[in-house]
Amino acid sequence: GAGVSQSPSNKVTEKGKDVELRCDPISGHTALYWYRQSLGQGLEFLIYFQGNSAPDKSGLPSDRFSAERTGESVSTLTIQRTQQEDSAVYLCASSLGPPGLGSYNEQFFGPGTRLTVL
Amino acid sequence: AQRVTQPEKLLSVFKGAPVELKCNYSYSGSPELFWYVQYSRQRLQLLLRHISRESIKGFTADLNKGETSFHLKKPFAQEEDSAMYYCALSEGSNYKLTFGKGTLLTVNP
Repeated sequence: GAGVSQSPSNKVTEKGKDVELRCDPISGHTALYWYRQSLGQGLEFLIYFQGNSAPDKSGLPSDRFSAERTGESVSTLTIQRTQQEDSAVYLCASSLGPPGLGSYNEQFFGPGTRLTVL
Repeated sequence: AQRVTQPEKLLSVFKGAPVELKCNYSYSGSPELFWYVQYSRQRLQLLLRHISRESIKGFTADLNKGETSFHLKKPFAQEEDSAMYYCALSEGSNYKLTFGKGTLLTVNP
């Protein structure tokens, strides 16, 4: 079946503009994660969804960043008033179940959205 | 707070040589450790996890709690092993991952 998909694959924007990044998880996956991969910083956790709620937003770097998920499916990560330091690859991952269950549920990653803020 | 350290940004070996990618972690509880791999122009994917204690593509990794390490090893490297390797830690099953900064492995012919 189809894996995790993300759109757009590339986004170039001007400093100060808002951007929306989209993630379509694997069908039936209830857990969804956003990570950011930036030069010199590696992969950083941003936010985690279980269903439509976000019990862990601890990785969002500022209040310019927000995310939502609807219908236990698509998630959108929004960055307002983008800054040059927001330039990175934004990765989405999904897994079958929530944390804490006995069996391990592998996180499957999307191809990422490369964001460039000029 | 948990932290994962991969001391080598770049590692270059010749085909057939042994390879070891180092990973050290700090975490006060009992973490789950993983190795993820990203081949050129492919998405990030799970290579192996410590709990399963399996060998994938000839790679193994042993969790050493005393040294807080989870080094990835392969006795005979192949050119197709060239990729970016990330060590990652999870606080428990199915939870967010904390990644190291990655090691770019190049296997030369």
